Amino acid sequence: KQEVTQIPAALSVPEGENLVLNCSFTDSAIYNLQWFRQDPGKGLTSLLLIQSSQREQTSGRLNASLDKSSGRSTLYIAASQPGDSATYLCAVRNDYKLSFGAGTTVTVRA
Amino acid sequence: EAGVAQSPRYKIIEKRQSVAFWCNPISGHATLYWYQQILGQGPKLLIQFQNNGVVDDSQLPKDRFSAERLKGVDSTLKIQPAKLEDSAVYLCASSFHTDRISHFGPGTRLTVT
Repeated sequence: KQEVTQIPAALSVPEGENLVLNCSFTDSAIYNLQWFRQDPGKGLTSLLLIQSSQREQTSGRLNASLDKSSGRSTLYIAASQPGDSATYLCAVRNDYKLSFGAGTTVTVRA
Repeated sequence: EAGVAQSPRYKIIEKRQSVAFWCNPISGHATLYWYQQILGQGPKLLIQFQNNGVVDDSQLPKDRFSAERLKGVDSTLKIQPAKLEDSAVYLCASSFHTDRISHFGPGTRLTVT
């Protein structure tokens, strides 16, 4: 059974600092990995999708890396803004099953 | 494009009562998911539909939960009877592709007292 862990559970940074969010998983035979953002009282928004054959994926200020052999993915958010405050979840797909981590709640202080 | 619609947004019931949630996915999305998200945890898949067929319901507590997707479009999730531990946010998601989730609805927050 795939176990997905995100540490730390919460993070607070001043505006402008770069964010580094970690995701680890136990079964490296993954198909792909997605990063999502969840705002309070709202559903999840898909941010990035990395296929198992890729090492990284970029979208604007967001960059996600994938190291399958070590069972890790990292989401980098450059020059954080207060609007980046949210919970960030990673989800790992094995075959057709998607397993979510519990998320890292980020607060960006103005 | 319109997003995934869910209703109601909030529901409070007493234990042993029944409740139903409704989801309308994005038009053309064949894959539909129901997830349960307990406070402080990541979403857990309850059931996945491909059109109106069930792909995975291995984590659905079938003694009390049921779900259907009529005509491969809208879906309903029912709980009967509800337990205190069913208090959670129930998320519906849909996707055109089968290897990713592209859109989530806003969720229904259920409180069982």
